[in-house]
Amino acid sequence: QQPVQSPQAVILREGEDAVINCSSSKALYSVHWYRQKHGEAPVFLMILLKGGEQKGHEKISASFNEKKQQSSLYLTASQLSYSGTYFCGTELNTGNQFYFGTGTSLTVIP
Amino acid sequence: NAGVTQTPKFRVLKTGQSMTLLCAQDMNHEYMYWYRQDPGMGLRLIHYSVGEGTTAKGEVPDGYNVSRLKKQNFLLGLESAAPSQTSVYFCASRPGVLRPQVADTQYFGPGTRLTVL
Repeated sequence: QQPVQSPQAVILREGEDAVINCSSSKALYSVHWYRQKHGEAPVFLMILLKGGEQKGHEKISASFNEKKQQSSLYLTASQLSYSGTYFCGTELNTGNQFYFGTGTSLTVIP
Repeated sequence: NAGVTQTPKFRVLKTGQSMTLLCAQDMNHEYMYWYRQDPGMGLRLIHYSVGEGTTAKGEVPDGYNVSRLKKQNFLLGLESAAPSQTSVYFCASRPGVLRPQVADTQYFGPGTRLTVL
């Protein structure tokens, strides 16, 4: 039930773009994206619902492909502050259990 | 609003000891969750609750018990701690109902770092 994230790790230079994918073998109701800095709690970025549209916030956006049961997180013109581990959390039905991916470590270097 | 708080922040136990972790939220959220996070494993759900007085098992419930006697509190108990329970424990809460301008997602507490010797 745990979604699969790829890549496991990525290193970027400031200003470069990155894509993180989250795939499920089950039909999803929603996908939630979080970022976690070392030693801190995960922080919510955005949620995508079945039948919903692509979401975006400044230079971070995400999409949800229902046919493939895959969500992608897009980080454009990366900044140093984008460094951290990105998790997708998936929900099969509303109010059900959450399943988190194992995370993607993103490091942005000057 | 304090959001989600967890007590204690750190704890060291000896094998066989018991303890209770307290999670409190002041956002009137319906749902609450307990996760453990281990290196390379992501977040794994231990138990969750969709309302006061109700609890359900998650992916890794063995060795843990929970109670939600009050809506704002969710307690996680370890009856007989084992070294395999060394981990960082996160509590999260979620509105559970649609509210304007409030994302129906999970909001995490700061975590409790538990070491079992």
